Amino acid sequence: DQQVKQNSPSLSVQEGRISILNCDYTNSMFDYFLWYKKYPAEGPTFLISISSIKDKNEDGRFTVFLNKSAKHLSLHIVPSQPGDSAVYFCAATRSNAGKSTFGDGTTLTVKP
Amino acid sequence: EAQVTQNPRYLITVTGKKLTVTCSQNMNHEYMSWYRQDPGLGLRQIYYSMNVEVTDKGDVPEGYKVSRKEKRNFPLILESPSPNQTSLYFCASSLSSGLHYGYTFGSGTRLTVV
Repeated sequence: DQQVKQNSPSLSVQEGRISILNCDYTNSMFDYFLWYKKYPAEGPTFLISISSIKDKNEDGRFTVFLNKSAKHLSLHIVPSQPGDSAVYFCAATRSNAGKSTFGDGTTLTVKP
Repeated sequence: EAQVTQNPRYLITVTGKKLTVTCSQNMNHEYMSWYRQDPGLGLRQIYYSMNVEVTDKGDVPEGYKVSRKEKRNFPLILESPSPNQTSLYFCASSLSSGLHYGYTFGSGTRLTVV
């Protein structure tokens, strides 16, 4: 039973446009959600997080939206840049628990 | 430089030969964890540790052991590796359980068991 799903394995966008990456979860006990970016031959790096008490969190070009009723979150990148080309993972966790569950990842390609 | 260091980066071994992948962090983080990444399966948690001498199973702990005798180190031990443990392994650390600032990951260890 995959509790965190990223249904789009890949996404391609033009430089300067918006990239929207999606993530769905099934466990209503999750109360913290995070996005990571991963380049080839490197470990994932933390991008942005959101608590379940919020519905939006912004950090520069990155915004994460959370829809608890739909158990859905999305990462918006505006404007997209070629350097954003990477694999993006969403992760969900319960505060005070040590386990984080990751999705399969979405490969974003930003074309110049 | 704040970092998580894993060694080795690449390892090819034979079935049944015990091995240890080391992980060390220099950020005084309480929390450390091991993940494996496989195609189509994302990152799956093997074990985690909330602090020294405290470890717990993740989602796929079978065939692995860990120990946390010091805050900075969290080695992953494969007592009798099998081919289905061929994977890309990541160690991660964070303050508390990584809610606000996420995990800091190592660069990965690519393990092949033949």
